[in-house]
Amino acid sequence: EIVLTQSPATLSLSPGERATLSCRASRSVDNYLAWYQHKPGQAPRLLIYDASKRAAGIPARFSGGGSGTAYTLTITNLEPEDFAVYYCHQRWSWPPGSFGQGTKLEIK
Amino acid sequence: VQLVESGGNLVQPGGSLRLSCTASGFTFSDFGMNWVRQTPGQGLEWLAYIRSDGDLTYYEGSVQGRFIISRDNAKNSVFLQMSTLSAEDTGIYYCARFIRQLTSKYYFDLWGQGTLVTVS
Repeated sequence: EIVLTQSPATLSLSPGERATLSCRASRSVDNYLAWYQHKPGQAPRLLIYDASKRAAGIPARFSGGGSGTAYTLTITNLEPEDFAVYYCHQRWSWPPGSFGQGTKLEIK
Repeated sequence: VQLVESGGNLVQPGGSLRLSCTASGFTFSDFGMNWVRQTPGQGLEWLAYIRSDGDLTYYEGSVQGRFIISRDNAKNSVFLQMSTLSAEDTGIYYCARFIRQLTSKYYFDLWGQGTLVTVS
């Protein structure tokens, strides 16, 4: 089983700032990694897949990077609607794959 | 383009429940579909997959033999029949569509808002 560990658990920032979220895998997932945004009561939304590809309709301020076991989601110039919980997800070992435990991005 | 889940409810331990997910705005029969749940104890967890034609299914180990995924392409719907439920099955259940790209697979590119299952 591949375990994904996200850090920090909570990130407090202000609109206009830059957010950097981390996801570390217990072994290499060969860039088969995605990021999702989830707001309470809403459907989760795919942001990034294959580590760095933006999903359809995702603004350019969202970017993904990394390789091997270490990945990052960067959000530049935070907008009010960006404050949410973010999950990483690896599909290298699908089925079942696995998700990280989430990073809550909150308004400072 | 959306997925809408229904069927969540309060059920007693050992009981059964059937969840439904209805798709709209896209050609449902072209896509593999999944159920994913969010529980307090395990976070997000993939549960089951069904291929676009309904002829192939996969299950996560803890639900194998208890849950059955099925679909009706004529009704643009996917279902999850759950049995022998326990408190650990309490959570929000989402249906999710697999991305349909040549070289990028097994990511969830469309999710519903979820339906709440409480086992108590």
